[in-house]
Amino acid sequence: AQSVTQLGSHVSVSEGALVLLRCNYSSSVPPYLFWYVQYPNQGLQLLLKYTTGATLVKGINGFEAEFKKSETSFHLTKPSAHMSDAAEYFCAVSGSGGYNKLIFGAGTRLAVHP
Amino acid sequence: ETGVTQSPTHLIKTRGQQVTLRCSSQSGHNTVSWYQQALGQGPQFIFQYYREEENGRGNFPPRFSGLQFPNYSSELNVNALELDDSALYLCASSSPGRTSTDTQYFGPGTRLTVL
Repeated sequence: AQSVTQLGSHVSVSEGALVLLRCNYSSSVPPYLFWYVQYPNQGLQLLLKYTTGATLVKGINGFEAEFKKSETSFHLTKPSAHMSDAAEYFCAVSGSGGYNKLIFGAGTRLAVHP
Repeated sequence: ETGVTQSPTHLIKTRGQQVTLRCSSQSGHNTVSWYQQALGQGPQFIFQYYREEENGRGNFPPRFSGLQFPNYSSELNVNALELDDSALYLCASSSPGRTSTDTQYFGPGTRLTVL
C-alpha cells in the first residue's frame, strides 16, 4: 500500500524567506512523486514530479524538490517566498495498481506575510 | 489547446437525490480520473476510465458510477446522495494514461453541496 504524510497543515513564512514544505511517503514499489498547488476555488496545478533519474527536480515558479529514498522524503523548497505563493500544496504518490492513481497527502496551507 | 473543463461549477442537492457531473478532457487525452476532495482534505481517488472502460476504482461505494464517451469526455454519477458526499469533485485527464508517470491535468472542479 502507498501513503503520503505531509508534516504541518499550516506553514507561515515572510516574503523573501525560504519555503520548506515536508512530505514523507510509504510505498512498496518504486514511487513516482508529485507536488501540486491549489489556489482558492481552483483545481490542482502540477508544480513538479519525480519519476526516475536525477533526484533533485526543478519545477515551475522557482520550486524544487529532492527525492531521498533513504529518508522516504520528497520535501518541496523555494529559496525566496513571494506573496503569490500563498496557496494549498499537495504531495502525491503513484506507482502501483497498473494505472496512475494518485494518492494525496492532506495538504499544507502556505501563508506568506509581507 | 483547451484544458480540462468541468460542469457545473456549483451544485446544490438534497439528501437522497441523484447527481451527474461532467468533464471534458484535455485535447488528445484518453484517460480520465475522478477525485473527491472533502473540505480541508486531500483529493481521494474515485475511479479512472481509459478508452471508455473503468480502469481502476478507489474505496467508494457502487452508488458512485461513471461513464466515458468516445470523445473521451466523462460523467460521474452519484445516486442516493448523503450529506458526506458534499465535496469538491475534481476531474483529471492524462495521456496515454496507463502508466504511473503520466501527469494528470486537473479541471477546476465541481462544488457539490448536499442538504
